[in-house]
Amino acid sequence: DAGVIQSPRHEVTEMGQEVTLRCKPISGHDYLFWYRQTMMRGLELLIYFNNNVPIDDSGMPEDRFSAKMPNASFSTLKIQPSEPRDSAVYFCASSLNRGPYEQYFGPGTRLTVT
Amino acid sequence: QQQVKQSPQSLIVQKGGISIINCAYENTAFDYFPWYQQFPGKGPALLIAIRPDVSEKKEGRFTISFNKSAKQFSLHIMDSQPGDSATYFCAASIGTSGSRLTFGEGTQLTVNP
Repeated sequence: DAGVIQSPRHEVTEMGQEVTLRCKPISGHDYLFWYRQTMMRGLELLIYFNNNVPIDDSGMPEDRFSAKMPNASFSTLKIQPSEPRDSAVYFCASSLNRGPYEQYFGPGTRLTVT
Repeated sequence: QQQVKQSPQSLIVQKGGISIINCAYENTAFDYFPWYQQFPGKGPALLIAIRPDVSEKKEGRFTISFNKSAKQFSLHIMDSQPGDSATYFCAASIGTSGSRLTFGEGTQLTVNP
């Protein structure tokens, strides 16, 4: 199994630009999670999906952030317009809806907004 | 009430020593407590997890101790090795993996040779 795949691995963009992060979960997993990691705030859950349906987006910081999951094998996290304070590592994770209840994380996308 | 408090923020241990990381929670509805290990440039990976029906779980050199009445749980790494140097996160959730994981702040562990 290839694990959770994220792209790009690194993204550098200018303030005001649109940024799209992509995730391919592990095949057969029911849940998909988007996290943001910063030194100041640690690991924060932004949004998660069950069977492609958003369940909880209370962690999305503001309207500039949006996430979609058009099918079971693909999700995007979009930031428009981006701001320097969005600079962070964004992780995607997926899991099954049964034991052993492990969330498998992707390698992350390091976003830098200048 | 959803917070999980983790300490210490950083820890330095000599090779062969015991590393201990502590977490405390408030929400008594939490019923799943995993620990994740993260190496630089990588995503977190599940290390070991426990449910509140047991007070201790051991896997190799890693042990979780759980105190339900105190609402605390801890990770013990016996015979710590330089390869254990990583950031460790405790977490908690309610129910299955479909529930959101609430993570602690993380502990950066350094094991000196």
